[in-house]
Amino acid sequence: DTAVSQTPKYLVTQMGNDKSIKCEQNLGHDTMYWYKQDSKKFLKIMFSYNNKELIINETVPNRFSPKSPDKAHLNLHINSLELGDSAVYFCASSLSGSDTQYFGPGTRLTVL
Amino acid sequence: QQQVKQSPQSLIVQKGGISIINCAYENTAFDYFPWYQQFPGKGPALLIAIRPDVSEKKEGRFTISFNKSAKQFSLHIMDSQPGDSATYFCAAREDGTSYGKLTFGQGTILTVHP
Repeated sequence: DTAVSQTPKYLVTQMGNDKSIKCEQNLGHDTMYWYKQDSKKFLKIMFSYNNKELIINETVPNRFSPKSPDKAHLNLHINSLELGDSAVYFCASSLSGSDTQYFGPGTRLTVL
Repeated sequence: QQQVKQSPQSLIVQKGGISIINCAYENTAFDYFPWYQQFPGKGPALLIAIRPDVSEKKEGRFTISFNKSAKQFSLHIMDSQPGDSATYFCAAREDGTSYGKLTFGQGTILTVHP
């Protein structure tokens, strides 16, 4: 009965690899987000989708590509991983007209 | 550049004491100011939020004080408990839409000693 779920929880990979993180929400929300939390715990938005349409696209390298197959899913694909991509990535969701964003448990990505 | 500045970076309080975390912002277009609580290994969770048309909001032991003219807001945790030990983030959102961009402060690690 998890509200916002992410897979995998941990991801360890080599530089140069391509990886994906999946996010699903069962709250019936229409907006989903990806955030990056760095080693100093600073949280920064990367992308957001409303009704499968990209509405926020922060200054993120184009190696990062979000994909929203439907309103309940927002996946993050990362090409050519770099050391600096190591962080915890959080998915979140919200409902239009409501201010609250609900965060997933996070995916800790380690690039070696 | 940091649009929301949070202090202190870390805070140690004795059980039963008052914890105070401060945030300052520059963008006058911000119209929604939430506080999020994050426990180790978990995602942030909304704790309490305020809009600029009120100066204070209280929910249980948690109170937000908001000073629009000074562009500052703060979180007060009364009767702090060891279970309150977590990282606290203030945030701010502009553009009037419920799915607008949240800009977070740097976070405050709160430790409450028994």
